[in-house]
Amino acid sequence: DVKVTQSSRYLVKRTGEKVFLECVQDMDHENMFWYRQDPGLGLRLIYFSYDVKMKEKGDIPEGYSVSREKKERFSLILESASTNQTSMYLCASSSSGPLYGYTFGSGTRLTVV
Amino acid sequence: SQQGEEDPQALSIQEGENATMNCSYKTSINNLQWYRQNSGRGLVHLILIRSNEREKHSGRLRVTLDTSKKSSSLLITASRAADTASYFCATARYGGSQGNLIFGKGTKLSVKP
Repeated sequence: DVKVTQSSRYLVKRTGEKVFLECVQDMDHENMFWYRQDPGLGLRLIYFSYDVKMKEKGDIPEGYSVSREKKERFSLILESASTNQTSMYLCASSSSGPLYGYTFGSGTRLTVV
Repeated sequence: SQQGEEDPQALSIQEGENATMNCSYKTSINNLQWYRQNSGRGLVHLILIRSNEREKHSGRLRVTLDTSKKSSSLLITASRAADTASYFCATARYGGSQGNLIFGKGTKLSVKP
């Protein structure tokens, strides 16, 4: 069964901490994505990557960075966590081309206190 | 920037009834996709309909697409309690080096046994 695995389901961090959210896929997908989901705002794209070491900003990249050193792994980094980054974070992957759906991980619910 | 907007925001029906959710979008699309999200989990890809298709079926799901009205509908027939979830439409946005999906805010479906 194909999978996108996010390292943590729940995470609690303190304001100012550097936070790493890890995502691994086993489908040899070229594209990987990080979204955050908030009530009333839906899913918003933070960053995406279409190849190893390549990244592109989404709609809300401020306060975040990403790393993709290997094809299967896409990390989201909160440089200095703030309370307004408390959210559900969803990782997804897909094959290249416009006719493929996304496979999502189960999500990481991050609380910054 | 939201591309797809689902309607209604919430829908409550009895088991066995049909559920219809609608999605409107703003710009030209290559395809439109529907996803399901169970509470607190990641999204699951349900169905993709290409811009040159008008209708597509998958099990109890029927999706229609009207590109002249920039709208799509998802019909779930003979609904079950297990269909209780949020349903999202998504359209592809092209820019930069690679496309990515923009999601609507979702329709929350509740199926009562």
